[in-house]
Amino acid sequence: EDKVVQSPLSLVVHEGDTVTLNCSYEVTNFRSLLWYKQEKKAPTFLFMLTSSGIEKKSGRLSSILDKKELFSILNITATQTGDSAVYLCAVEGNYQLIWGAGTKLIIKP
Amino acid sequence: GAGVSQSPRYKVAKRGQDVALRCDPISGHVSLFWYQQALGQGPEFLTYFQNEAQLDKSGLPSDRFFAERPEGSVSTLKIQRTQQEDSAVYLCASSLGEWSPLHFGNGTRLTVT
Repeated sequence: EDKVVQSPLSLVVHEGDTVTLNCSYEVTNFRSLLWYKQEKKAPTFLFMLTSSGIEKKSGRLSSILDKKELFSILNITATQTGDSAVYLCAVEGNYQLIWGAGTKLIIKP
Repeated sequence: GAGVSQSPRYKVAKRGQDVALRCDPISGHVSLFWYQQALGQGPEFLTYFQNEAQLDKSGLPSDRFFAERPEGSVSTLKIQRTQQEDSAVYLCASSLGEWSPLHFGNGTRLTVT
């Protein structure tokens, strides 16, 4: 059965810390892995990863995919209180998105 | 089941047909959301229920879209007189409350021909 597992489930750090969020998957006919930041009503798209070893970067956020070991990490450096959110990982396979349960990240001032 | 269940998984409709998409949320989840998603994009909010009350339907793209949750659990998204631009994945998500993590279903892929 296809599955996506995120860890940790929740994380509390202080402003300025660096965090690493993990997403591992077992999905038939992998096509892409997506990271989202969930705030209020709708998740915000962060990254789409299709190739191993190529880092995608946007400001303080970066992500990389390992298709051999079937996982991805999302790094956030110099965290700010505005980074507090649930971070969702989803994997596309067989024309369906399989969602992880999310990592709830809390940044303390 | 333990997760959010959506049916059907795939739906092909001829232009002008009406369709109904079903969402079974996790038992006990108060909040239920419908989203429309294009590949590689974030889900676009359509509508939100708290129990049986539809608190926000600001994302519904036209009056051809209608959602209901009459008993506060199962929800149906209906699209009347489907158009090609309605082709998308329709996602349902539920949560314990407004600030709790969303649990997504696997979506219904609608193709309008």
